[in-house]
Amino acid sequence: RKEVEQDPGPFNVPEGATVAFNCTYSNSASQSFFWYRQDCRKEPKLLMSVYSSGNEDGRFTAQLNRASQYISLLIRDSKLSDSATYLCVVNTLGAAGNKLTFGGGTRVLVKP
Amino acid sequence: EAGVAQSPRYKIIEKRQSVAFWCNPISGHATLYWYQQILGQGPKLLIQFQNNGVVDDSQLPKDRFSAERLKGVDSTLKIQPAKLEDSAVYLCASSFDRGREKLFFGSGTQLSVL
Repeated sequence: RKEVEQDPGPFNVPEGATVAFNCTYSNSASQSFFWYRQDCRKEPKLLMSVYSSGNEDGRFTAQLNRASQYISLLIRDSKLSDSATYLCVVNTLGAAGNKLTFGGGTRVLVKP
Repeated sequence: EAGVAQSPRYKIIEKRQSVAFWCNPISGHATLYWYQQILGQGPKLLIQFQNNGVVDDSQLPKDRFSAERLKGVDSTLKIQPAKLEDSAVYLCASSFDRGREKLFFGSGTQLSVL
């Protein structure tokens, strides 16, 4: 089982609709979680951190479910510019310190 | 503020040749990472430096890959000899410290091994 797993998609989303997708992680000792966004042929950029109580940043909502070991990202009122690959990142404290592991990414395509 | 600088942007080589990539992190960032991203996959950590010391190189294929970060600033990643499966984007990232999980990525080097 991979440490961090994501549905690769693509999720085809009509403009203005809501889309949500999950990321599962295997290590119950993982401490912190993030969503990064990666545009085609570009580098990943931090979208938001994921807090235990859930958090919202504009049209984006991230949630953490420690019991089931997954995080989620919800995008409301999708814009064409939201088309990208969304990478889940899990931080686990190991012998060598903090280790950041990326998922394979979920591709989202917002269409007019 | 200047971002993470990487060069070259693109590189095409034949298998068994050698190649080197360069990265200059954001000024003041102690932690530097090299990631390999194969098309359609997420970035995979190759090596992590804290200042000029290696923190994690567990996934670095040490028979052909090497990396150094002299003086704790810029870094080079080398592949010798290259294999077809090394074709990927090599991303350099930096963060202020190991406890700071926000990574700043460079634009990457796209390597094609023919």
